Amino acid sequence: SQQGEEDPQALSIQEGENATMNCSYKTSINNLQWYRQNSGRGLVHLILIRSNEREKHSGRLRVTLDTSKKSSSLLITASRAADTASYFCATDEGGSYIPTFGRGTSLIVHP
Amino acid sequence: SAVISQKPSRDICQRGTSLTIQCQVDSQVTMMFWYRQQPGQSLTLIATANQGSEATYESGFVIDKFPISRPNLTFSTLTVSNMSPEDSSIYLCSVEGGGSRGDTQYFGPGTRLTVL
Repeated sequence: SQQGEEDPQALSIQEGENATMNCSYKTSINNLQWYRQNSGRGLVHLILIRSNEREKHSGRLRVTLDTSKKSSSLLITASRAADTASYFCATDEGGSYIPTFGRGTSLIVHP
Repeated sequence: SAVISQKPSRDICQRGTSLTIQCQVDSQVTMMFWYRQQPGQSLTLIATANQGSEATYESGFVIDKFPISRPNLTFSTLTVSNMSPEDSSIYLCSVEGGGSRGDTQYFGPGTRLTVL
């Protein structure tokens, strides 16, 4: 099954800076989603972007999708210490619609 | 959206024993999913549980090791049987939100299992 791959694996920034995480995948998708996980707890859904969409915003989050490059990016602007978490992309393809997850990017925001 | 609770939130178990994890949803859902997240790893789907039918297991997971029950549209259990230290993971249940396929998945808070 397909799995997105996040890049970088780890990211350390100062509060107020922007954080950009990337996700690449292998085959055509229906949807791509980004999730956040704090300290090994449950996942919180951030944004879903469909294959026919190119950009979505939610508060300080901006997600882009480039289906020609099979990649997506998650931008967190004006980061806060509370944004410290692991971020996962998840893709679903074909008739499955069950997302498969990448390994995640561990983000640390220093106050 | 869906609110999901899991019990227990964490447990420490001895090798060879079994643990049953409960997942409760605040609304009726057709499909429930069970994932495993090994330390420092991504989420791996164990099985999909539909009410009234047997669970569908992903490659590498078998019913004898991970029996699942789905007695109604708001509840499911996952049992980790005959545990070994390799089963130490976070186990998460999730449901699909929205009215169309591929919509947001909502996750429970997870059960952190340590097997000694």
